[in-house]
Amino acid sequence: KNEVEQSPQNLTAQEGEFITINCSYSVGISALHWLQQHPGGGIVSLFMLSSGKKKHGRLIATINIQEKHSSLHITASHPRDSAVYICAVRTSNFGNEKLTFGTGTRLTIIP
Amino acid sequence: DAGVIQSPRHEVTEMGQEVTLRCKPISGHNSLFWYRQTMMRGLELLIYFNNNVPIDDSGMPEDRFSAKMPNASFSTLKIQPSEPRDSAVYFCASSFPAGGGAYNEQFFGPGTRLTVL
Repeated sequence: KNEVEQSPQNLTAQEGEFITINCSYSVGISALHWLQQHPGGGIVSLFMLSSGKKKHGRLIATINIQEKHSSLHITASHPRDSAVYICAVRTSNFGNEKLTFGTGTRLTIIP
Repeated sequence: DAGVIQSPRHEVTEMGQEVTLRCKPISGHNSLFWYRQTMMRGLELLIYFNNNVPIDDSGMPEDRFSAKMPNASFSTLKIQPSEPRDSAVYFCASSFPAGGGAYNEQFFGPGTRLTVL
């Protein structure tokens, strides 16, 4: 079993729909990252969080440390949101920045 | 700021040849990461440096892989000899510490797509 599990693996939705991508992990963590990989291959960091919720524009990320679960939400989705979204965790080992990645969720937004 | 710079962007080589990938981190960042991405295994950390010192190289697959960071603005990942199973996209990323033992987000380079024939 992978340390970081994402669901769904693939998601297709209509423009304007509310999107939720889930990430579950099995290890103790110091932080969780959400990354976006564009169709061209570039990777961008969206959020880094260790508790609660963060919001940036139409994107919202939440984390529940007790349940070892995080969600990434996209409101009013747009075709330009089509990308692979990757969850990554940093374990609790002090001083170690190593990230362990989920396998990604491929999101396609249809106009 | 130019962001993380990687070269070459594409590399095609034959099995057995030496391959060297290069990375220039964002100025002021003191942590540098090398990642490999394949369809089968997704993103994996190969090695990371902090203040030019290798901290975790547990992801380096075998002795054919080596990485160096001779100064704060340059790092190389070398594969010698290369094999077809090394074909992947190799990403370099950098970050700077947030202070108090915390860390910031990582900034990724555009990647090098390596094909070993």
